[in-house]
Amino acid sequence: SQTIHQWPATLVQPVGSPLSLECTVEGTSNPNLYWYRQAAGRGLQLLFYSVGIGQISSEVPQNLSASRPQDRQFILSSKKLLLSDSGFYLCAWSAPVGVQPQHFGDGTRLSIL
Amino acid sequence: AQSVTQPDIHITVSEGASLELRCNYSYGATPYLFWYVQSPGQGLQLLLKYFSGDTLVQGIKGFEAEFKRSQSSFNLRKPSVHWSDAAEYFCAVGDRGYNKLIFGAGTRLAVHP
Repeated sequence: SQTIHQWPATLVQPVGSPLSLECTVEGTSNPNLYWYRQAAGRGLQLLFYSVGIGQISSEVPQNLSASRPQDRQFILSSKKLLLSDSGFYLCAWSAPVGVQPQHFGDGTRLSIL
Repeated sequence: AQSVTQPDIHITVSEGASLELRCNYSYGATPYLFWYVQSPGQGLQLLLKYFSGDTLVQGIKGFEAEFKRSQSSFNLRKPSVHWSDAAEYFCAVGDRGYNKLIFGAGTRLAVHP
């Protein structure tokens, strides 16, 4: 069966520090991969999605970037964190063909001090 | 443009009472529709999906949803709510372009004993 792993579960970082959040998927090949942010009391905002290695689409301009160095690995990064980057970050995957349900990881709670 | 509206931000019901969470969508073609549930500090779990066919869809945890094209709605229902159903519920519509999901803002459900 397929599983998705996100780490770390929680992270506290100072303003201006770098960020790297990692997401890996097991049990499937060539998944579509997604990064979402959920601010407190808000819905989900799609940040990036990827349909293959090295293929990244950005949904909103921001201080973050994403990379997909391997088929089942998706990384969210920042060179310098801002206070506004605080939130709950969720990674998700879906099967690559057609419209399929997305399956979510357990999320990373990021607090910027 | 595609959109999803969940008119109720918060709903409180008594344990054992019936539940209906509203979802209205805007989409140009036949929609693919989803309901997800999120417990505090967790990722999203798929409750059910509608792609085609029978407009009454059964999901996990005793939930069901009914697709009504004439009303552009996909309301989630449960005949008898349990305290463990307290969570946030998200409705989503699928974008066929890249299997992107467009989420509503969510409805937070509280259950009174």
